[in-house]
Amino acid sequence: DVKVTQSSRYLVKRTGEKVFLECVQDMDHENMFWYRQDPGLGLRLIYFSYDVKMKEKGDIPEGYSVSREKKERFSLILESASTNQTSMYLCASRDRAGETQYFGPGTRLLVL
Amino acid sequence: AQSVAQPEDQVNVAEGNPLTVKCTYSVSGNPYLFWYVQYPNRGLQFLLKYITGDNLVKGSYGFEAEFNKSQTSFHLKKPSALVSDSALYFCAVRDNGAGGTSYGKLTFGQGTILTVHP
Repeated sequence: DVKVTQSSRYLVKRTGEKVFLECVQDMDHENMFWYRQDPGLGLRLIYFSYDVKMKEKGDIPEGYSVSREKKERFSLILESASTNQTSMYLCASRDRAGETQYFGPGTRLLVL
Repeated sequence: AQSVAQPEDQVNVAEGNPLTVKCTYSVSGNPYLFWYVQYPNRGLQFLLKYITGDNLVKGSYGFEAEFNKSQTSFHLKKPSALVSDSALYFCAVRDNGAGGTSYGKLTFGQGTILTVHP
């Protein structure tokens, strides 16, 4: 079974802090994704990576950056957290030939 | 641009009755269609997908979905609902990538809360 893990289930941060969300997958997948989930809006793609050190902006990249130094790890960075970044953050991975994305358990971030 | 619509924010059914959660989509090219389920405070779990072939797709936990190309729909169904099916359901679409470098980007609907009453 594919396993996608995220470093924290819950995080509380203050406005202006730098925040790191970590995601690790154990299936040697090339593609990894970061989404945020908000009520009534579904999932929105922030960034994705199709290989090590490669990244592309999704639909809502503003205020975020990412890092993919190793194939199994994809990090989402909030350079200066703001209250409108309070959300559920979901990581997913997919192999290049496959069709299905597999999701981690999510990180619920509260920015005060 | 591709899009997904789930016209119902909530669906309520009695246990033992059939259930349907609706989804319509828009995509250039041939669609890949997915259903995911999310239980409280959890990530998304994959239920089923349509890529090609038979229009009726069977998935996990007794769920199935019917692809209808003329109506651009991919409704999720189950013949007999269980209380444990109560959750948030997401439909998602991507194109098949033949038209360019889409990298398998999925577009999700806004989700439908399914509540099954005992």
